[in-house]
Amino acid sequence: AQKVTQAQTEISVVEKEDVTLDCVYETRDTTYYLFWYKQPPSGELVFLIRRNSFDEQNEISGRYSWNFQKSTSSFNFTITASQVVDSAVYFCALSLYNTDKLIFGTGTRLQVFP
Amino acid sequence: DAGVTQSPTHLIKTRGQQVTLRCSPKSGHDTVSWYQQALGQGPQFIFQYYEEEERQRGNFPDRFSGHQFPNYSSELNVNALLLGDSALYLCASSYLGGEKLFFGSGTQLSVL
Repeated sequence: AQKVTQAQTEISVVEKEDVTLDCVYETRDTTYYLFWYKQPPSGELVFLIRRNSFDEQNEISGRYSWNFQKSTSSFNFTITASQVVDSAVYFCALSLYNTDKLIFGTGTRLQVFP
Repeated sequence: DAGVTQSPTHLIKTRGQQVTLRCSPKSGHDTVSWYQQALGQGPQFIFQYYEEEERQRGNFPDRFSGHQFPNYSSELNVNALLLGDSALYLCASSYLGGEKLFFGSGTQLSVL
């Protein structure tokens, strides 16, 4: 069975601090995809990144960066110099090859205070 | 270019009733998925429709059914509502096998 664990329920930081959101996944499949989504108070989930299981290169997009480590089954997300607009619930998710079904973690609520 | 639109935004029903939720996918998308998100939880996959057929299904009872129309829009029907069906129902669209799912803002269903 597949599972995604986000152990941090809620994180609070002050603006300009760096923050890392943890994600640990479980699957026996060798081909899979990992995702991060952002859910602002409006409710819609906003796609941030998709990474396939064969690509362990870290990725950076502006203030966002992702660290994928198969050895520890982790796909962590770091926001550098956080801003108030980053306040949202962030979800990590997993899908298996040849399926569009996403398996989500329980989410981490990030609050960034001015 | 409109994104994924869902209606209604909020709905209140009583136990035992039936409900229909609607979704219009992003322009050009042919695949629609539905997710249920209980309070404080991550979304859970209900099912996916492609070419008007249910392509994949999650672990939900038969009380949950759906439909996709020729214009790719979709409906989610829930019969014999239970209190536990209270949740945010999210619709997502994509191209089949596409990298990204685009989500709507959801329908908040409250069952009293």
